[in-house]
Amino acid sequence: DGGITQSPKYLFRKEGQNVTLSCEQNLNHDAMYWYRQDPGQGLRLIYYSQIVNDFQKGDIAEGYSVSREKKESFPLTVTSAQKNPTAFYLCASSPEGRGKNYGYTFGSGTRLTVV
Amino acid sequence: GQQLNQSPQSMFIQEGEDVSMNCTSSSIFNTWLWYKQDPGEGPVLLIALYKAGELTSNGRLTAQFGITRKDSFLNISASIPSDVGIYFCAGSGAGSYQLTFGKGTKLSVIP
Repeated sequence: DGGITQSPKYLFRKEGQNVTLSCEQNLNHDAMYWYRQDPGQGLRLIYYSQIVNDFQKGDIAEGYSVSREKKESFPLTVTSAQKNPTAFYLCASSPEGRGKNYGYTFGSGTRLTVV
Repeated sequence: GQQLNQSPQSMFIQEGEDVSMNCTSSSIFNTWLWYKQDPGEGPVLLIALYKAGELTSNGRLTAQFGITRKDSFLNISASIPSDVGIYFCAGSGAGSYQLTFGKGTKLSVIP
C-alpha cells in the first residue's frame, strides 16, 4: 500500500541539540511539505519542495533546514537556532500537474519534545 | 497572501446533534477540501469540492462549495463520539496545487 511515513512518532532531545525528522513517501508525489502544529495555532508551513534538489521557505522557516535529494524523501532538521522547537510536526505530499488538486496526504506526525 | 477564516474555533455538542462549520476566503478558490485530524494523528481528507454550488456527501458528512467561490460549509449529522477531532478546511486558487488551510474547528462530543 502506498503512503507517507514519518519517524519516529515521539522524539525527545536536549536543548541545544540538532535533530532530524524523517519523512518518506511511496506515492510518487512530486511535492512535499513540512508543517508545525501547536495547540490552537492550526498548521504552519515550514518548508516545501516541488521538485528534487529544490525547496522553498514557508511562513516559519527560521531555525529549520531541509533537503530533497530523492523524490521519496524530505527530512527536516530542527536546529539549535529554533527557539521553541517543542511541537507536533506533520509531513505531507501531493501530486502536481495532474489536473484537479487532489489535496495533500499527511503522515501520522512526530511529536518533538525538547527538555 | 490568501487567508481562510474558519469558524467556530471549537464546539461542544451532545451526541446525536447535528454540527455545522464554515470557512471564508479573502479570494476566490477553485478547490475546497475538508480534512479531519484525530488526536495525535495526521489530517485525513474527508471531502473534495471542485465546482461552485457543488454539494457532496460522505456518510453523515455533507460539504458545500459556496456559490461566491469564497466559502465552504461542512455539516455532520447525528454526531457520534468518534467524530471528535479537529476539522480543517483548505482551498486553492486557479492553477495552484498549494493549499491554504483554515485554523481548524475542534469538535468535542458529549456522550
